[in-house]
Amino acid sequence: EPEVTQTPSHQVTQMGQEVILRCVPISNHLYFYWYRQILGQKVEFLVSFYNNEISEKSEIFDDQFSVERPDGSNFTLKIRSTKLEDSAMYFCASIPTEMNTEAFFGQGTRLTVV
Amino acid sequence: QKEVEQDPGPLSVPEGAIVSLNCTYSNSAFQYFMWYRQYSRKGPELLMYTYSSGNKEDGRFTAQVDKSSKYISLFIRDSQPSDSATYLCAMSGAAAGNKLTFGGGTRVLVKP
Repeated sequence: EPEVTQTPSHQVTQMGQEVILRCVPISNHLYFYWYRQILGQKVEFLVSFYNNEISEKSEIFDDQFSVERPDGSNFTLKIRSTKLEDSAMYFCASIPTEMNTEAFFGQGTRLTVV
Repeated sequence: QKEVEQDPGPLSVPEGAIVSLNCTYSNSAFQYFMWYRQYSRKGPELLMYTYSSGNKEDGRFTAQVDKSSKYISLFIRDSQPSDSATYLCAMSGAAAGNKLTFGGGTRVLVKP
């Protein structure tokens, strides 16, 4: 069964460092998303990406965040200068068509900022 | 008022019992409703997806949507210890590619 793949599973970084989280969405899916979940809190939307551009972003997704799909398969989230409060699980998700339909999530990257 | 409200639990039931979960929402623009299961430090796993009021059944799972009351439910029949997890409701609007808005999750414990 096709699945969303995320790497790494766990990333530890020092405050102020840049990190890149990687995702390989399900092939032929059209919409891609990043969500995050701070420990003990709800899953929160960060950004959606369609047709090689951001279609929507949340207030959390400020200038220190960026996304790109450099090669038509990988989908990356970059955090330029990490803060302690960026520590969270980051989930990539994708949906297959332009209609709202099932969103499939990856297993997540646990980001720990020290 | 939160957009999506979900009782955090924990909800503890004996093996074989019916688990009843629910969410309420305030945004009438929500048209698509999903239930996810999440194990600790893992990604949400899609269980059920619905877009109309009424019931949808899949194996031991039944999802109910009542748009007039802005209320959705998930029932798990013949619960097993492996059903112990956090269950998340999520919903989205009708526009193409709309983001999901999640409830906070209900932790379920099925005791053998």
